[in-house]
Amino acid sequence: GAGVSQTPSNKVTEKGKYVELRCDPISGHTALYWYRQSLGQGPEFLIYFQGTGAADDSGLPNDRFFAVRPEGSVSTLKIQRTERGDSAVYLCASMAGPNTEAFFGQGTRLTVV
Amino acid sequence: EDQVTQSPEALRLQEGESSSLNCSYTVSGLRGLFWYRQDPGKGPEFLFTLYSAGEEKEKERLKATLTKKESFLHITAPKPEDSATYLCAVQAATGGGNKLTFGTGTQLKVEL
Repeated sequence: GAGVSQTPSNKVTEKGKYVELRCDPISGHTALYWYRQSLGQGPEFLIYFQGTGAADDSGLPNDRFFAVRPEGSVSTLKIQRTERGDSAVYLCASMAGPNTEAFFGQGTRLTVV
Repeated sequence: EDQVTQSPEALRLQEGESSSLNCSYTVSGLRGLFWYRQDPGKGPEFLFTLYSAGEEKEKERLKATLTKKESFLHITAPKPEDSATYLCAVQAATGGGNKLTFGTGTQLKVEL
């Protein structure tokens, strides 16, 4: 596609439920990143994929968060037993390679009620 | 730990009133410093990458500069459409897998 696509745009879920957020990166981009942005803050790194493998998951806040990228393109961020503190905008970005810029999707706004 | 501090948090300008946004950083070896623009409800939009002290890049009314400790985003004769949040981010040269460490942004409002 022309840009990074994220679905859904908005997700409202009840505390304790499971959610999946999807990211479709720019075609051919091998590097994919997930970030989380709270209101009034800059994006914070969660996890980085190079191809199919998670090369760095040091930003995941706890074991309720997990992400996959089984075929090296689309990625899914999974959150179990959601908490109100998980409410934020989840951003996905992809890069063609090192020393290139990251292109961001429009984000998924997650609200846990 | 890599850190980025942006100032001011918010800035209100009259149309045509030039100003500068500041980004101070500490990083374990700089691979690149990035400027992004973010409009409400949107993802960050890439503006510039700077790689070494002394480098400058320009795009329309924006010019980004870099020293060993900070970067400035100069806005010349701004227009209302320049209103947005401007984010600065650094990328470390070693480890980190090219991830970006962001500041909290400067919210710019340009009024007629």
